[in-house]
Amino acid sequence: NAGVTQTPKFQVLKTGQSMTLQCAQDMNHNSMYWYRQDPGMGLRLIYYSASEGTTDKGEVPNGYNVSRLNKREFSLRLESAAPSQTSVYFCASRKGTGSNTEAFFGQGTRLTVV
Amino acid sequence: GENVEQHPSTLSVQEGDSAVIKCTYSDSASNYFPWYKQELGKGPQLIIDIRSNVGEKKDQRIAVTLNKTAKHFSLHITETQPEDSAVYFCAASRNQGGKLIFGQGTELSVKP
Repeated sequence: NAGVTQTPKFQVLKTGQSMTLQCAQDMNHNSMYWYRQDPGMGLRLIYYSASEGTTDKGEVPNGYNVSRLNKREFSLRLESAAPSQTSVYFCASRKGTGSNTEAFFGQGTRLTVV
Repeated sequence: GENVEQHPSTLSVQEGDSAVIKCTYSDSASNYFPWYKQELGKGPQLIIDIRSNVGEKKDQRIAVTLNKTAKHFSLHITETQPEDSAVYFCAASRNQGGKLIFGQGTELSVKP
């Protein structure tokens, strides 16, 4: 049981380049999330998808786009990377129905923009 | 918008002592309050959670308390051990599929 899988694990981009971070979960969860983690800032929500077919902005959406490709996959795209987007990115998923339940996280993608 | 404030940002205790981390939230409609532990190089993992219909929950050495009136909740770790050293995050959520907002994190160091 893989849980939440993120690819790639590490990436270095030049300013202005674009890339897509991939996330897939195999737990049949409805809700998926993208966070960025910076020192002293905690985990900040970029975008989330409450259910397949819907996406919503989180706390820090500027400079990012997302696609909920199907129930399993939720991708994060940087169209024109900036040094301020250097961070560790985490994808998470949770059941999204019934009582509130825990979120499961991937291992993270460490992105450096130079 | 929703906001979760967490204190302290760093906490150092001696092995065997207790550790307390506190969080406040702004959205009065929040009803789910999980705590996560993040070890170096890994994603956060749930250690305990509490729902708004209870005031306290305990699991072995870990306990969480919730004061809905004051909109704050706390994590208590007793008899700390070196393997408790990690970054701890609190979070709050209004409903099952919606936003899950995290605090800034607390780096706990337990010295042998």
